[in-house]
Amino acid sequence: QVQLVQSGAEMKKPGASVKVSCKASGYIFVTYGIAWVRQAPGQGPEWMGWISSHTHNTSYAQKIQGRVTMTTDTSTNTAYLELRSLRSDDTAVYYCARDLYDTGILDTWGQGTLVTVSS
Amino acid sequence: EMVMTQSPVTLSVSPGERATLSCRASESVNTNLAWYQQKPGQAPRLLIHSASTRANGVPARFSGSGSGTEFTLTISSLQSEDFAVYYCQHYKNWPALSFGGGTKVEIK
Repeated sequence: QVQLVQSGAEMKKPGASVKVSCKASGYIFVTYGIAWVRQAPGQGPEWMGWISSHTHNTSYAQKIQGRVTMTTDTSTNTAYLELRSLRSDDTAVYYCARDLYDTGILDTWGQGTLVTVSS
Repeated sequence: EMVMTQSPVTLSVSPGERATLSCRASESVNTNLAWYQQKPGQAPRLLIHSASTRANGVPARFSGSGSGTEFTLTISSLQSEDFAVYYCQHYKNWPALSFGGGTKVEIK
């Protein structure tokens, strides 16, 4: 079955970087893009960006532009999210999600990765 | 920037009753709208896309309607497993996406 499995929880200090992985299985990886969405405690989801698994084209939310890099490795069917210069308000659960036919319909989600930023 | 507003923030419903959730967009999104269900400690789950199309495996008691700026998610007869938070999301400006603030459906 289609599945996205993310890396484990991270605890970082302000100013550090974090890299979250998202391994896909059960479908042809390059056929669908991957969106990254985060959710701060008690808040709604927030779109962070999108990457084409085929072309590696990216689109990032303006709020985090300059601090974020999304990549994919088609040899391992894995997507990566790197966020730099972490601040306390980056504390959130980070999700990857499959973008159905590159429409913005997120039909399969990873289990989430909690990133805590604290001194 | 497109803003998605959901109402009510909390909806108290008895099992077996009907629940009606609303989502309003600040400008027209045509039918480029999805609904997700999220339970505590879990990722969101796609319920509805294209405003009214149920995703694979979603029970028929869930239905979506609307177009333009006004949308509704209806749960015809609430089951115990339906108590959760529901989010609407538009994808008119793909790849940029925007979510509403959510409606929590709780047991009355």
